Parts: sequence; structure tokens; C-alpha cells
Amino acid sequence: GAVVSQHPSWVICKSGTSVKIECRSLDFQATTMFWYRQFPKQSLMLMATSNEGSKATYEQGVEKDKFLINHASLTLSTLTVTSAHPEDSSFYICSARQALNQPQHFGDGTRLSIL
Amino acid sequence: AQTVTQSQPEMSVQEAETVTLSCTYDTSESDYYLFWYKQPPSRQMILVIRQEAYKQQNATENRFSVNFQKAAKSFSLKISDSQLGDAAMYFCAYNTQGAQKLVFGQGTRLTINP
Repeated sequence: GAVVSQHPSWVICKSGTSVKIECRSLDFQATTMFWYRQFPKQSLMLMATSNEGSKATYEQGVEKDKFLINHASLTLSTLTVTSAHPEDSSFYICSARQALNQPQHFGDGTRLSIL
Repeated sequence: AQTVTQSQPEMSVQEAETVTLSCTYDTSESDYYLFWYKQPPSRQMILVIRQEAYKQQNATENRFSVNFQKAAKSFSLKISDSQLGDAAMYFCAYNTQGAQKLVFGQGTRLTINP
């Protein structure tokens, strides 16, 4: 149980394009989803918290116009990296949580490479 | 602000032996949750074990157990009978009851020597 699917697992695209990453909870309804960024050999850095039907809450320093988050249903959240540039290259991981005091379950992550 | 500290960037252990990973945290809250997550080379984050602060009994999951010392704000992970598949980055994490987000430690890279 508690499976989170993240797609795509790896994407390479040209500078200036927009990239959409999907995060789905497969066997539970996720009231809250989270998006993280992870640099090599570092811990996870929370980018934003997304509650179904509400606007995402972004962490300090994260550009909301650059990283668009949509949480339209209880099983799907998307992260769109707009006008991506090489500095946006990173590993992005989503997680989903069924209820407030339940643990977060993570997707497999997306490796984003911007050329 | 809550912080989580893992003071061991790297640890290694012989296969079949026991290893303990350290984690300390700083909080003024009384109700909270602590977690250990494992991130193998595939980079998937896997929940290893979870502890509620109000429970005095240490959580156990098969070969994984914790030593939760609330007064000392310490939450170490013990891995018994280490296996090659245990090799991974291990992250300690914390969140308060009612809080939205997890606070992660810096991680400890565990190597298993055959």
C-alpha cells in the first residue's frame, strides 16, 4: 500500500522549454502533496506544499512563477518548470500524505537535465 | 526553529554485523513524530521506521529498531544483521503533530562491506 508514482523518471530538454512532472498517489487519496529538490549528495530541500484544491505554499526563495504547482485532485499533483534553464537541472521528488499525522510516501523522483 | 542533525556523514559496517546511525533534533514541542528514511542508489525514498514522541516504547521493524531518548532529543537507528541491500543514504526526519512539512537531517551514507 501507499504507492506514489512519479513521471517521467528522466527528462532532457532544451533551455527555454517548459517541463511538466506528474505525481500520483495510486492506492490512497492524498490531501497533501510535497515537492522537493535534491542536489547531488545533499538532503532534500522542500520547494512547496500543495493541498488539494488550494494554492500551493512555497518555501522561501522558491520562485512560484518558475515552478508552477497544481493539485487538482486527491490523487494528482503536477510541477511545471517554466522556461527551464541549465541551473534548473536537478533531481525532483514528490511525496504524498493521506492525512495530517500520517507519514509522507515518496515517488521515485525525476532527473531533469536542461541543455 | 526545528532542526535535525546527523553527525555522521558516512558509516560502514561488515555484512551481518550491527550498526547504529545517530540523529539529534531540536524542538520546543512535546508532540511530534520522528522518521528514518532510506534512499538507495535508485534514489527512491523509502520509509524505514516511524516513532511517535508520546510513545515510550521504541519502534521496531524487523532488523531495524530505534533508540528514542526524548529528554536527550536523540533518535538513533540500529540495523541488525546488516545486509548488502541496506547500503544507502539514511535520512532522519521530524515533524510536529499538526505540522505540514518534514524537517530532514543531512543524511548518513551507509556502506556494507561484504
